[in-house]
Amino acid sequence: GEDVEQSLFLSVREGDSSVINCTYTDSSSTYLYWYKQEPGAGLQLLTYIFSNMDMKQDQRLTVLLNKKDKHLSLRIADTQTGDSAIYFCADQNRDDKIIFGKGTRLHILP
Amino acid sequence: NAGVTQTPKFRVLKTGQSMTLLCAQDMNHEYMYWYRQDPGMGLRLIHYSVGEGTTAKGEVPDGYNVSRLKKQNFLLGLESAAPSQTSVYFCASSYAGGLGYTFGSGTRLTVV
Repeated sequence: GEDVEQSLFLSVREGDSSVINCTYTDSSSTYLYWYKQEPGAGLQLLTYIFSNMDMKQDQRLTVLLNKKDKHLSLRIADTQTGDSAIYFCADQNRDDKIIFGKGTRLHILP
Repeated sequence: NAGVTQTPKFRVLKTGQSMTLLCAQDMNHEYMYWYRQDPGMGLRLIHYSVGEGTTAKGEVPDGYNVSRLKKQNFLLGLESAAPSQTSVYFCASSYAGGLGYTFGSGTRLTVV
């Protein structure tokens, strides 16, 4: 079946860039998403990219999509303590079904 | 501008007790979902609904039942709670063909 894989942990120093990577297996993706979950809260849609795009930039966030390799990444520039959270990669297929990765916990070092 | 509201936010149950979790959305979304989140397991889909009066099984449906009698509400029931059902439960909703899901803030359930 379809799967989304991402590493479970990432530590980054405050002020550096964070890069969270994700791979997926679905060949009929329409949209790919990054969700952010802060402690004790639900998932919030952070950004998304349409499957025929290869890059999207939104302020400190840059999403890169390599459709050939089925690889998605999220870069957070100038990482702040408020960026500490779990980041979920997700893939939506033509049936509108969304498959979530297990989430990457981003830890910010002072 | 409530979005997706889950009640209750916290609950402790004894093994064998029953309870119902309520999810309400005010965005006129057709689709609604129930997930559970456990450490290291990510989000696992329990049941979902593609419209009023319809429900379908997800990845981990055993021990749960659902109902969608009104478009805006999706209820998740535990008939006889077990410690393995200790988890954080999230409800989500979306438009058919829409962009992403809107999530509630979760219900933390402990079964002792």
